[in-house]
Amino acid sequence: NAGVTQTPKFHILKTGQSMTLQCAQDMNHGYMSWYRQDPGMGLRLIYYSAAAGTTDKEVPNGYNVSRLNTEDFPLRLVSAAPSQTSVYLCASSQLLGSGQREVTDYEQYFGPGTRLTVT
Amino acid sequence: KQEVTQIPAALSVPEGENLVLNCSFTDSAIYNLQWFRQDPGKGLTSLLLIQSSQREQTSGRLNASLDKSSGRSTLYIAASQPGDSATYLCAVLIPNFGNEKLTFGTGTRLTIIP
Repeated sequence: NAGVTQTPKFHILKTGQSMTLQCAQDMNHGYMSWYRQDPGMGLRLIYYSAAAGTTDKEVPNGYNVSRLNTEDFPLRLVSAAPSQTSVYLCASSQLLGSGQREVTDYEQYFGPGTRLTVT
Repeated sequence: KQEVTQIPAALSVPEGENLVLNCSFTDSAIYNLQWFRQDPGKGLTSLLLIQSSQREQTSGRLNASLDKSSGRSTLYIAASQPGDSATYLCAVLIPNFGNEKLTFGTGTRLTIIP
């Protein structure tokens, strides 16, 4: 198993440009999420998806996601701003939705991250 | 709102010493607590996961404890080695009506001095 993979590793974007950060997992996990990591602020949840076909956002605007299948969870920056300069981490887990609280394998697996700079 | 705190933010100890990293959280209604390590420029690697019904978990030289009632967890590292140098993060999984969320602390940067 490759686990959670992310591409690209690094990218420089100009203000106003758009791009998609790729995330994929091969563990058949239902739950996937995106975090951004900034110095002194820890990890902040941006978007999550409990299963293919569902998504929900934690922070407003500037980002968009899709979950067309179980494996992939791309994050799109619609019109990049310097405030979106960050390290983006994708994660997945066996966590299931409502009614599945007896499932104990909630361990989160993280990808290596994408370091994004917006100039 | 759940808040997770890790103190100290940075710690340096000589090689061979045992050490304890601390994590505290404000709301005891958690499903589990997970400890991660992060090496510079890399993603997060899961070290230990403690379910809310458990008191501790062990893996090699690592031992993590959980006291839900007091909102505390500790990560004990025995016989520290330079390879243990990294940032250690704790995170709690909190209920959210079927879309449970992971809330992270800001981490402790550990340096083991050879």
